[in-house]
Amino acid sequence: DVKVTQSSRYLVKRTGEKVFLECVQDMDHENMFWYRQDPGLGLRLIYFSYDVKMKEKGDIPEGYSVSREKKERFSLILESASTNQTSMYLCAGARVSDYNEQFFGPGTRLTVL
Amino acid sequence: AQKITQTQPGMFVQEKEAVTLDCTYDTSDPSYGLFWYKQPSSGEMIFLIYQGSYDQQNATEGRYSLNFQKARKSANLVISASQLGDSAMYFCAMREGMRVNKLVFGAGTILRVKS
Repeated sequence: DVKVTQSSRYLVKRTGEKVFLECVQDMDHENMFWYRQDPGLGLRLIYFSYDVKMKEKGDIPEGYSVSREKKERFSLILESASTNQTSMYLCAGARVSDYNEQFFGPGTRLTVL
Repeated sequence: AQKITQTQPGMFVQEKEAVTLDCTYDTSDPSYGLFWYKQPSSGEMIFLIYQGSYDQQNATEGRYSLNFQKARKSANLVISASQLGDSAMYFCAMREGMRVNKLVFGAGTILRVKS
């Protein structure tokens, strides 16, 4: 069974803290993605990576950065957390296949106080 | 402009009946793919079905089928014989082009199946 895991299901941080969200996949997928999910807005792409050390901005990259030092791990970093970054964060991996289905992790619900 | 529009914030359906969840999309790329995902209350995203822009036939996967009307730019999900376990949030998503596989998602539709 393919697996995408995220380091925490729930996280509470304070404004101004540096926050790391970790995502690990065991599928040998080249492509990995970070989304945030907010009610009424669906999922919005923050950053994605198509290879180790490669990254591209998604639709809402402001306030975030990412790191991909190894193929299986893709980290999302909030340099200085703010209350408007309170959200559900979803990581996904995708193989290069006929249609590039994405496999999602269980999500991290982050609350910034 | 919204790339993916799901106009139904919430839907109810009686158990064992069929239900259609609407999705319209906007793209000028002739090559694209359309996806439906299910998100139960537990939060995980479950892939349901895929339709490619060049596919001649509507996609089907078990009780799920995709009513693909290219000229109208719609890709509605049809769930037949609804079950209580179908209660969830459903997202329509689109991949534009073949080179990169990032997805654009709609806002989602919450489906509640009544017994």
